[in-house]
Amino acid sequence: QVQLQESGPGLMKPSETLSLTCTVSGGSISGYYWSWVRRPPGKGLEWIGYIHYSGITNYNPSLWSRVTMSVDTSRNQFSLKLTFVTAADTATYYCARLNRVATVSGYDYHSMDAWGQGTTVTVSS
Amino acid sequence: DVVVTQSPLSLPVTPGEPASISCRSSESLLHRSGYFYLDWYLQKPGQSPQLLIYLTSNRASGVPERFSVRGSGTDFTLTISKVEAEDAGVYYCMQTLRSRTFGQGTKLEIK
Repeated sequence: QVQLQESGPGLMKPSETLSLTCTVSGGSISGYYWSWVRRPPGKGLEWIGYIHYSGITNYNPSLWSRVTMSVDTSRNQFSLKLTFVTAADTATYYCARLNRVATVSGYDYHSMDAWGQGTTVTVSS
Repeated sequence: DVVVTQSPLSLPVTPGEPASISCRSSESLLHRSGYFYLDWYLQKPGQSPQLLIYLTSNRASGVPERFSVRGSGTDFTLTISKVEAEDAGVYYCMQTLRSRTFGQGTKLEIK
């Protein structure tokens, strides 16, 4: 069974660049899409974006100018970089696998069926 | 951008009673495949989110039959036929037609 584990800095200062890594175990990173989702304290989930193992990306339009995702198939890891962080970026960040759960009329449909435990990032001066 | 709106935001429910959560999108979620592109996730207290329902009405592996979704176009409703204590948590619908957008979440509390 695939397992995901996020790792990150924990505490950051405003204007710094957030770097998070998700390590995938129990399965290969190849062949899948991989997502990042966050939940600010007291708020709901926010989708950040996803990356295909080939490098194809799709970012939340509200974050796209600050977000970069990458994949390292040799290490079975994928990463998130978020530039110029502010207090509004304080959140628990989750990585998730976007798995093909159905094929309908020839179209593949993907949902987030495996999640990491989440890592808390606090941005404070 | 597709905006997704859930209601209610808070839902206290007595065990054994039914519960319903509404999810509305700012535009139709009908894909050219003929299916509506909508998922539901549940985040239980202290846990990571988990996939509950995909492609509008398909229960994810291990999800009990008491969970069902009906709807089309822009309006969808998740119904739990008889709520159990383990169903407590925050429920999110998510449109997957144009990029992805979560609703605000509905906190289901057990009375």
